[in-house]
Amino acid sequence: SAVISQKPSRDICQRGTSLTIQCQVDSQVTMMFWYRQQPGQSLTLIATANQGSEATYESGFVIDKFPISRPNLTFSTLTVSNMSPEDSSIYLCSASQSRNQPQHFGDGTRLSIL
Amino acid sequence: DAKTTQPPSMDCAEGRAANLPCNHSTISGNEYVYWYRQIHSQGPQYIIHGLKNNETNEMASLIITEDRKSSTLILPHATLRDTAVYYCIVGGNQGGKLIFGQGTELSVKP
Repeated sequence: SAVISQKPSRDICQRGTSLTIQCQVDSQVTMMFWYRQQPGQSLTLIATANQGSEATYESGFVIDKFPISRPNLTFSTLTVSNMSPEDSSIYLCSASQSRNQPQHFGDGTRLSIL
Repeated sequence: DAKTTQPPSMDCAEGRAANLPCNHSTISGNEYVYWYRQIHSQGPQYIIHGLKNNETNEMASLIITEDRKSSTLILPHATLRDTAVYYCIVGGNQGGKLIFGQGTELSVKP
């Protein structure tokens, strides 16, 4: 199975700033996804990162707040823009070889906004 | 994607089998059943998945009813390290998206 690495693993940021989270996969994958996990909650899908085209966002998430890049088949970034304390969450990246193959997850980026 | 219903919590004695139920009565014909678990402060770990037939791997067994409206994840000999939140998810046919519910918090006790 693919190994997913995320950077940074955690960060503390000031409100109003932006942070870019990197997701690296050790093999080429068709599909990559970004999730958010708020404290004590389950995972919520933010968007599907499409290689070579704009990401597909879920209801409640917009590109201006969470711009996503996917320049190739092994790498994606998620930016959390103009952060507020409500953005304090764990952000997770996942990848799968195809739509019916299981997704594998990184260990997430734990983000705290002061 | 079809929704799932799981008990919020379960206990299991160490060394015994843990049987985690999941209802997915609105599952469609081409949707898979996936099981993941999340141990505190880690990303979700894939356990097993299936479409119609029962499946077994080195971690667990997945039993899917004939009508596919429910399934059971079986951990044959639970250990303390199996304490985690277990998620049952149906999907994969909408661009591969997985929609997580609240899961079952399994506590394995000595």
